[in-house]
Order: sequence, then structure tokens, then C-alpha cells
Amino acid sequence: EDKVVQSPLSLVVHEGDTVTLNCSYEVTNFRSLLWYKQEKKAPTFLFMLTSSGIEKKSGRLSSILDKKELFSILNITATQTGDSAIYLCASLRTGGGADGLTFGKGTHLIIQP
Amino acid sequence: DSGVTQTPKHLITATGQRVTLRCSPRSGDLSVYWYQQSLDQGLQFLIQYYNGEERAKGNILERFSAQQFPDLHSELNLSSLELGDSALYFCASSVQGDGLPEQYFGPGTRLTVT
Repeated sequence: EDKVVQSPLSLVVHEGDTVTLNCSYEVTNFRSLLWYKQEKKAPTFLFMLTSSGIEKKSGRLSSILDKKELFSILNITATQTGDSAIYLCASLRTGGGADGLTFGKGTHLIIQP
Repeated sequence: DSGVTQTPKHLITATGQRVTLRCSPRSGDLSVYWYQQSLDQGLQFLIQYYNGEERAKGNILERFSAQQFPDLHSELNLSSLELGDSALYFCASSVQGDGLPEQYFGPGTRLTVT
């Protein structure tokens, strides 16, 4: 059974801090690792990582995948209160559509002013 | 606003009952996905429909069923409800059959079973 574990489960930091969120996975026929941001209710897509060692960046957010050690990290620099959300990572199996997705339970990030 | 709509927003019902959740995808999207999110299980894929046909199946219980209608809206039917079915149910849509990762999520329906 595919497994995705995120840590920490919850994190409270001050505005301006840099945070690192972790995601490890054990997946048969791994294809990609996805990150989502869930504010209030609906998740929105952030990144998809398929190749090891290549950083994806979007503004203050960046993510990288290590396929040898089976983990990914999501970094957020100069955090703002608007970054407060639950961050989900999900693994995707080769050949799989949505039935190949396994989500972690998320990291609840709270940015205090 | 993703363009995906879900009704109702909240639903409170008793064990043993049956409910129907409704989803309207973004204009032009042919695929609809249903997910369940609970505190202990996290976000889990239930089922996907593409242009009216079932495309993929995940951890969907036999008490649950879904369909996609000719106008592409979808309904998720949950029957013989149990306390453990209490969760947030999301619908997502995408243009293609394998639209990952570009799925657009709706705001969800919070189901409480008492």
C-alpha cells in the first residue's frame, strides 16, 4: 500500500521566518510528487516534481524532490500571514490517474504577525 | 473561485440515512473527481467520471455511488450513513480525462452524521 507521511503536522512561526515542510513517501511505481495548498477549504495546486534534484520555484515557494531518499521538501521564505494554510503533498503512481494519487495528512502552517 | 460549484455547503443527517451531494464542473471541463477528507484519513480519492463514463475508482465504499449526467454535472450518493462518513467531500474538475495535476477543486460539502 502506498504511503505518504508529512511532517511536522503543525507549525507556528512568525511573519518573515523561513519554513521547511517535509514529505516522505513509499510508493510502488512512483511517477511524481505533488504539493497543494489548502486555505479555508479547497486545495489548489502548487508544484509537481518528477525529476530528482531539480528545484521548482514560484515566488517565495520552492520545492525539490530526492528520489533516492524518497522525500520532498517545500520551502517558504519570508513568510506572510497569507501563507497560513494546510499544505498537502501527494504521490502519483506511474500510469495512474486520480486513482494513483495518495495524499499525506498535511502540515498545518500558521504564520503569526 | 475555481469555477467548480458544490451544493449543499453543509449537511447534517442521522445514521442510516441517504444523502446526495451535487457538483457542477467548470465550464468546458469533462472530468469530475470526488474526494473525501476526514481528520484521520486525510484526503482520499473516491471516483472519477469523464464525459459521463466512469474513468477511475479509488477507495469508494459500496454504500457510495456516483454518476455524471449529460450536462456534465455529477452527483455523489451516500447511503446507510455511518458516523465515520462524517467528512468534507470535495469535487474537482479538469478538461481532460487525466488532468492531473491541473484539477480545480470546489469549496466542498461538509457532511455531519449524528
